[in-house]
Amino acid sequence: GAGVSQSPSNKVTEKGKDVELRCDPISGHTALYWYRQSLGQGLEFLIYFQGNSAPDKSGLPSDRFSAERTGGSVSTLTIQRTQQEDSAVYLCASSLARAGAGGTEAFFGQGTRLTVV
Amino acid sequence: AQKVTQAQTEISVVEKEDVTLDCVYETRDTTYYLFWYKQPPSGELVFLIRRNSFDEQNEISGRYSWNFQKSTSSFNFTITASQVVDSAVYFCALSDMNSGYSTLTFGKGTMLLVSP
Repeated sequence: GAGVSQSPSNKVTEKGKDVELRCDPISGHTALYWYRQSLGQGLEFLIYFQGNSAPDKSGLPSDRFSAERTGGSVSTLTIQRTQQEDSAVYLCASSLARAGAGGTEAFFGQGTRLTVV
Repeated sequence: AQKVTQAQTEISVVEKEDVTLDCVYETRDTTYYLFWYKQPPSGELVFLIRRNSFDEQNEISGRYSWNFQKSTSSFNFTITASQVVDSAVYFCALSDMNSGYSTLTFGKGTMLLVSP
């Protein structure tokens, strides 16, 4: 597609339920990132996929968070047993650059606003 | 560890005023990249500029200009003759060897409000 697409745009879930957030990157982009934006915390890195390499999961806040990227394209971020502190906007980004190849110009989607009640 | 500080939480100006958004960064690396992104109310982060640590030339793009000073670890962003459409949250970000030059460390953002 023309840009990074995320779905759903809004998600309200009950505490304790699992949620899946989807990201469709720009076609041909090998790198995909998930960030979380919450009040008072700014933008936090969660996870990074580059081609077929093992993902960099160093930003995931707990083992309730996981992500997959199937076929080097679409990615799903899963949050299990959601908590109220998980409420945030989850942003996905993609880029052409290979890791270490230089500064990364990442293109962001519009995000999924997750509200845990 | 790397860190980006945007000390201004919110700035309000009247249209046509010039405004400068401050960004101070910390990194131990000699090679790094700095970015500015704009986040309008729609929520999507829009890339504005990338600058590598070896290029200290200031850059101007229309009403936007950036002042990179390694000596003070700053990468400030100036909007000349601001317009209402400039109202957004602006983020400064850093990418360095610690992140494999891949992921971004963001400042907490500066909300710019331009009133008519």
